[in-house]
Amino acid sequence: GQNIDQPTEMTATEGAIVQINCTYQTSGFNGLFWYQQHAGEAPTFLSYNVLDGLEEKGRFSSFLSRSKGYSYLLLKELQMKDSASYLCAVVDSNYQLIWGAGTKLIIKP
Amino acid sequence: ETGVTQTPRHLVMGMTNKKSLKCEQHLGHNAMYWYKQSAKKPLELMFVYNFKEQTENNSVPSRFSPECPNSSHLFLHLHTLQPEDSALYLCASSQGDRGAYNEQFFGPGTRLTVL
Repeated sequence: GQNIDQPTEMTATEGAIVQINCTYQTSGFNGLFWYQQHAGEAPTFLSYNVLDGLEEKGRFSSFLSRSKGYSYLLLKELQMKDSASYLCAVVDSNYQLIWGAGTKLIIKP
Repeated sequence: ETGVTQTPRHLVMGMTNKKSLKCEQHLGHNAMYWYKQSAKKPLELMFVYNFKEQTENNSVPSRFSPECPNSSHLFLHLHTLQPEDSALYLCASSQGDRGAYNEQFFGPGTRLTVL
């Protein structure tokens, strides 16, 4: 079967750095998305990786290793507004999005 | 209005009621999706429409009935639901329903409670 694993919940301090990991076992791979979802709101696009390596976008970076079936989202200089759920999703060989259950990130002052 | 909108935002219904969820996208996309989101579970894809044609139906019970009259509008008709159907129902749209980089744009969801 297809599977995406992420930690259920993480806690970090304002101003710090946090890394949210995502491991996947899917039938084929055509890219990996990270979405952010604030409570009661729509998920919004953060990043897309299809090649190995690190993609940096402001305070957020996303890393991919296809050989290891592994990605992480790195958030720097954490702000209170970064408190949200972070969803990892993989595009499989049929171009279907396979979703993880999401990681709830709690930021403390 | 911009992006993807959904109405109503909250819905409480009894098991014998019939109601409909509405989704509208203003992005010129060709594909639209219904997802179910339950607490601490992955997003569950329910239905996919591309150019108004249904391309996916992931073994969804018949008490959920989708309708896509055009590429901008998507409905989910509900009847004789069960309490376990209580969840957040998300609508999304994308340029097409295939392709590797196929970013989906989500609406804010309808929080459904079945009593």
